[in-house]
Amino acid sequence: ELKVEQNPLFLSMQEGKNYTIYCNYSTTSDRLYWYRQDPGKSLESLFVLLSNGAVKQEGRLMASLDTKARLSTLHITAAVHDLSATYFCAAHNTGNQFYFGTGTSLTVIP
Amino acid sequence: EAGVTQFPSHSVIEKGQTVTLRCDPISGHDNLYWYRRVMGKEIKFLLHFVKESKQDESGMPNNRFLAERTGGTYSTLKVQPAELEDSGVYFCASSRDWGPLHFGNGTRLTVT
Repeated sequence: ELKVEQNPLFLSMQEGKNYTIYCNYSTTSDRLYWYRQDPGKSLESLFVLLSNGAVKQEGRLMASLDTKARLSTLHITAAVHDLSATYFCAAHNTGNQFYFGTGTSLTVIP
Repeated sequence: EAGVTQFPSHSVIEKGQTVTLRCDPISGHDNLYWYRRVMGKEIKFLLHFVKESKQDESGMPNNRFLAERTGGTYSTLKVQPAELEDSGVYFCASSRDWGPLHFGNGTRLTVT
């Protein structure tokens, strides 16, 4: 079974600052997803990363994948309050199963 | 397209009682998944349907949990009898083929 570790669990950052969330997974995965969840809402898909070296960017968020290190990162640039949410990574295997991390609860403070 | 809907959004029951959660996936999505998140922990896989068949139920905690998917459409997850440790948020998600998961808003279950 794939194990996914995400850190940090909690992140409080000031507006305008940069930070990175890390996602490690234990065995081979054919794709890596990042999701965002606002309180009381469903998880929304942000990115899917399919291959080694893949990089996706949307606004102030950029995700990357290193399959050799089994590591994905979600980088936040110049944080704004609207980015406050919980972010999950999920590794997908060839059995069409998704394994999630613990989530990173991000709070952006003025 | 209508999203994944779950009912109820909240349920508070006493230990020993029965609760049934329902999930309506996006129309045309053959894959349906149930997950559970206990406060502060990972979103843990429970089971996966492909159409009406259970593809993988390795994450089901014990035989107090029973999932069905009638005719390959909506799914129910019954907990009988409920225990305190069953409390958490139960998520349903669906997908088409090998696409990304589309989640419902979840059912928050509290067992007292």
